[in-house]
Amino acid sequence: DQQVKQNSPSLSVQEGRISILNCDYTNSMFDYFLWYKKYPAEGPTFLISISSIKDKNEDGRFTVFLNKSAKHLSLHIVPSQPGDSAVYFCAALPFNTDKLIFGTGTRLQVFP
Amino acid sequence: GAVVSQHPSRVICKSGTSVKIECRSLDFQATTMFWYRQFPKKSLMLMATSNEGSKATYEQGVEKDKFLINHASLTLSTLTVTSAHPEDSSFYICSARDRAGITWTQYFGPGTRLLVL
Repeated sequence: DQQVKQNSPSLSVQEGRISILNCDYTNSMFDYFLWYKKYPAEGPTFLISISSIKDKNEDGRFTVFLNKSAKHLSLHIVPSQPGDSAVYFCAALPFNTDKLIFGTGTRLQVFP
Repeated sequence: GAVVSQHPSRVICKSGTSVKIECRSLDFQATTMFWYRQFPKKSLMLMATSNEGSKATYEQGVEKDKFLINHASLTLSTLTVTSAHPEDSSFYICSARDRAGITWTQYFGPGTRLLVL
């Protein structure tokens, strides 16, 4: 039972435009949501997080939006750069635990 | 930022042998470390939670006798894949939670690719 879902396995975006990565979840008992970036043969790198009591968090080119009623969050990258090409995982942290639950990832490719 | 290292980065072994993977937090103390496994084009699957000085907590379906975890110090956790078989071939990633950090601050190692022939 996949509690955190990323329904788009891949996304291709032109350099300079906006990349929007989506994530849906089924459990209302998540405290934090996080986005990680992963290059091949490397461990994930933390990008940005959002608390369940917020609906937006921004850090430079990265903005995460949370829609609790729809159980949906998204990561916006603007402007997209070729170096952003990687696999992006969303992850959710339930209340009272430090066990992250990961989505299946979306491969982003930013082309010139 | 905090650094987590893994060693080795890649290992190839014969079926039936045991392989030890080390996970170290280099500049912080980690009371809790996590071991994940990633299959190709799949999500990271949490295998076990490793707590310093106590037994690891394994996720459902993970054989504790197959995947031995030892967290002997605040900066080192080891995962030993015992009697490895080809189906154990995978990418193993550890993460460490900063003892001084808030709950969700997990720093990931670079991963270890295991190939069992």
